[in-house]
Amino acid sequence: AIRMTQSPSSFSASTGDRVTITCRASQGISSYLAWYQQKPGKAPKLLIYAASTLQSGVPSRFSGSGSGTDFTLTISCLQSEDFATYYCQQYYSYSYTFGQGTKLEIK
Amino acid sequence: QVTLRESGPALVKPTQTLTLTCTFSGFSLSTSGMCVSWIRQPPGKALEWLALIDWDDDKYYSTSLKTRLTISKDTSKNQVVLTMTNMDPVDTATYYCARRIAGGSLDYWGQGTLVTVSS
Repeated sequence: AIRMTQSPSSFSASTGDRVTITCRASQGISSYLAWYQQKPGKAPKLLIYAASTLQSGVPSRFSGSGSGTDFTLTISCLQSEDFATYYCQQYYSYSYTFGQGTKLEIK
Repeated sequence: QVTLRESGPALVKPTQTLTLTCTFSGFSLSTSGMCVSWIRQPPGKALEWLALIDWDDDKYYSTSLKTRLTISKDTSKNQVVLTMTNMDPVDTATYYCARRIAGGSLDYWGQGTLVTVSS
């Protein structure tokens, strides 16, 4: 199975900051990558698919980039509601795999 | 409006078989490109993909769990069923079902159901 590695595992930031989360695949996955946001006690929410396409209804401060093995999720101006855990997921091949998550906390 | 809802036992004993049902609305699993997937999340841990069934009844499983999993669908009832055999305490988790669109990402999720494995 393809291994997905996110970094950092957690970090603190302030409202208004620009933050970037990275995700690396153990082998090339083209652009078959999605990003999800999960808040405590809630199901994950799809933010970005095909590495850089914003899901309908997701604020434009979220953006994604990358292809092959290296990907990033950027939040351009953190809002209070963005403090959550973020997961990447590859759907290039079965079995699908998720990264270990990045927990974004308030500084 | 697309919705999914998981149902099943909250508590199972070690070695038992778990059966979970995902009941959905707002789409049909007979539509080309539509799929339903199962994902789980142990308390405080990361998401783990388990299985997927598509509109053509093709089935795909987690490499590490495939010997224990079976996924099936009842298109007339808008349901997908996941069974997991030989349950162990390490299988304690919230189990989610989600819709997979043709592109491959999981765009709608159920609220999840917590399954605890304990004697």
